[in-house]
Amino acid sequence: ELKVEQNPLFLSMQEGKNYTIYCNYSTTSDRLYWYRQDPGKSLESLFVLLSNGAVKQEGRLMASLDTKARLSTLHITAAVHDLSATYFCAVNSGGSNYKLTFGKGTLLTVNP
Amino acid sequence: NAGVTQTPKFQVLKTGQSMTLQCAQDMNHEYMSWYRQDPGMGLRLIHYSVGAGITDQGEVPNGYNVSRSTTEDFPLRLLSAAPSQTSVYFCASSGSEVGSFVFFGQGTRLTVV
Repeated sequence: ELKVEQNPLFLSMQEGKNYTIYCNYSTTSDRLYWYRQDPGKSLESLFVLLSNGAVKQEGRLMASLDTKARLSTLHITAAVHDLSATYFCAVNSGGSNYKLTFGKGTLLTVNP
Repeated sequence: NAGVTQTPKFQVLKTGQSMTLQCAQDMNHEYMSWYRQDPGMGLRLIHYSVGAGITDQGEVPNGYNVSRSTTEDFPLRLLSAAPSQTSVYFCASSGSEVGSFVFFGQGTRLTVV
């Protein structure tokens, strides 16, 4: 059974600081997704990572994937208040896009 | 291009009532899925479909039915609502290509009293 663990679950940061969210998964998978969710809203796609060593960056967010370690990271650089949200990682099962297993999410709060 | 559209956005049901949550996508995606989101639990897969006429169970299928008669629509039916089904429900769709994003609807917040 595929299990996905995120840590930390809660993260309070000061503006301007850097931090990393970790996503570990238990069985082999060929793609990993990162999403952002604002309170009461839907999930917004951030990144799809497909291969070992993949790195993608968008603004202050950078995601990477190490398939051998079954680990993905979401690095936040020089945090700003607008990044406050819940971030989820999700891993697919069986080479599909229709069966995702999600982590419990990381609630990020960026304080002035 | 509306993406993934869910209706209704909010619903209150009494225990034992039945209802259908609607989901439609206009991206000609083959794959569609239903998830439920509960506090502190992330999202869990209820049912999924890989094409019209083909559905299968996910992690938490009990109490729910689905069908997919067209590529565009994937309704979720609650047969006899229970308080444990109080949740936020998300419909998702994606193409079959590796690297496709999985797109989510706006969600339906369901309360069973």
